[in-house]
Amino acid sequence: ELKVEQNPLFLSMQEGKNYTIYCNYSTTSDRLYWYRQDPGKSLESLFVLLSNGAVKQEGRLMASLDTKARLSTLHITAAVHDLSATYFCGGSQGNLIFGKGTKLSVKP
Amino acid sequence: NAGVTQTPKFQVLKTGQSMTLQCAQDMNHEYMSWYRQDPGMGLRLIHYSVGAGITDQGEVPNGYNVSRSTTEDFPLRLLSAAPSQTSVYFCAAGGSGTEQYFGPGTRLTVT
Repeated sequence: ELKVEQNPLFLSMQEGKNYTIYCNYSTTSDRLYWYRQDPGKSLESLFVLLSNGAVKQEGRLMASLDTKARLSTLHITAAVHDLSATYFCGGSQGNLIFGKGTKLSVKP
Repeated sequence: NAGVTQTPKFQVLKTGQSMTLQCAQDMNHEYMSWYRQDPGMGLRLIHYSVGAGITDQGEVPNGYNVSRSTTEDFPLRLLSAAPSQTSVYFCAAGGSGTEQYFGPGTRLTVT
């Protein structure tokens, strides 16, 4: 049974700083997903990582996947307030199973 | 394309009442699923369907029923609502094992 763990669960950052969110999963996952959720809103897809070593970047966010370590990371570069949201990673064995999310707050 | 739509947006039920949360998609995806989101718990999979006529249980299926008579629709039924079912419910659609597109959610309160 696939289990997904994220850490940290809460992250308070200053604008301009860098940080990384970690996502570990317990067993083989055929791909790894990152989603963003703003308060009171639905989930928005950020990245889908398909294979070992995959790296994807969009603006200040970069996601990577290490299937041997069963680890994905979401790196935030030079954070800005607009990145404040909850970020979810999810693994898949057919069904998409999510971690508990990381609530990111970027302060000036 | 509307993508994934859900109705209602908000609902208040009394304990023991029944209701159906509606979910529809216009993307012709075979795979649809229902999640519930509770504070500190992330999103948990309730039921899913890999195509019309095929449904299966997810992580937290108790108290919920689903059916899939068409590709487009995947309703979630609460037969006898309980306060523990107070949550935000999201429906999603996509290819099996691929990116899932989420609806706007239904916020349900059971008193």
